[in-house]
Amino acid sequence: GQQLNQSPQSMFIQEGEDVSMNCTSSSIFNTWLWYKQDPGEGPVLLIALYKAGELTSNGRLTAQFGITRKDSFLNISASIPSDVGIYFCAGQNYGGSQGNLIFGKGTKLSVKP
Amino acid sequence: ETGVTQSPTHLIKTRGQQVTLRCSSQSGHNTVSWYQQALGQGPQFIFQYYREEENGRGNFPPRFSGLQFPNYSSELNVNALELDDSALYLCASSLGTSGGPKTGELFFGEGSRLTVL
Repeated sequence: GQQLNQSPQSMFIQEGEDVSMNCTSSSIFNTWLWYKQDPGEGPVLLIALYKAGELTSNGRLTAQFGITRKDSFLNISASIPSDVGIYFCAGQNYGGSQGNLIFGKGTKLSVKP
Repeated sequence: ETGVTQSPTHLIKTRGQQVTLRCSSQSGHNTVSWYQQALGQGPQFIFQYYREEENGRGNFPPRFSGLQFPNYSSELNVNALELDDSALYLCASSLGTSGGPKTGELFFGEGSRLTVL
């Protein structure tokens, strides 16, 4: 089945630094989404991308849908302590049910004040 | 606007038992999807319900079954529980399967943490 490779697996950064993480897939997606999950909670949608090449921002977060449709990245600028959590990329296929998101294994972000 | 709510939040069962988890979708959403999230992993798609029928299924055995009710709420049932069924079970709602923009945006509840002993 399809798999997403998400990297890095974990990051330890200083407050104020910028962060970059990415996802690659063995096949194409028509939608890429980025979620953040805090301990004991469900994932929260951060950004959704619908077109190859699309670049979308949400506050300090910026994400791009790769031109090949097989990758996406998420950048966080000027990190703050509340950015701590696990970030998941997710892709969605043509032809699948709308609910069928394929998730990466997550990037765990730790921020030192 | 009411978000996705799930119950119970935590439960413990023994191997071989059956469990029912419940989910109320976000206001205005008519589609519910269920995911299983093992510790340290990303969520895995179990199935989706739209118009009270299963509309897509992941790689899970038939002992995982579900229902959707006319008010769009949903249940996940798991029979003959196994130790590996221990996980966080997430419900997500969305705007349906019309294929239009934003129908792929799922909104998750906080999950039901199942422990099988």
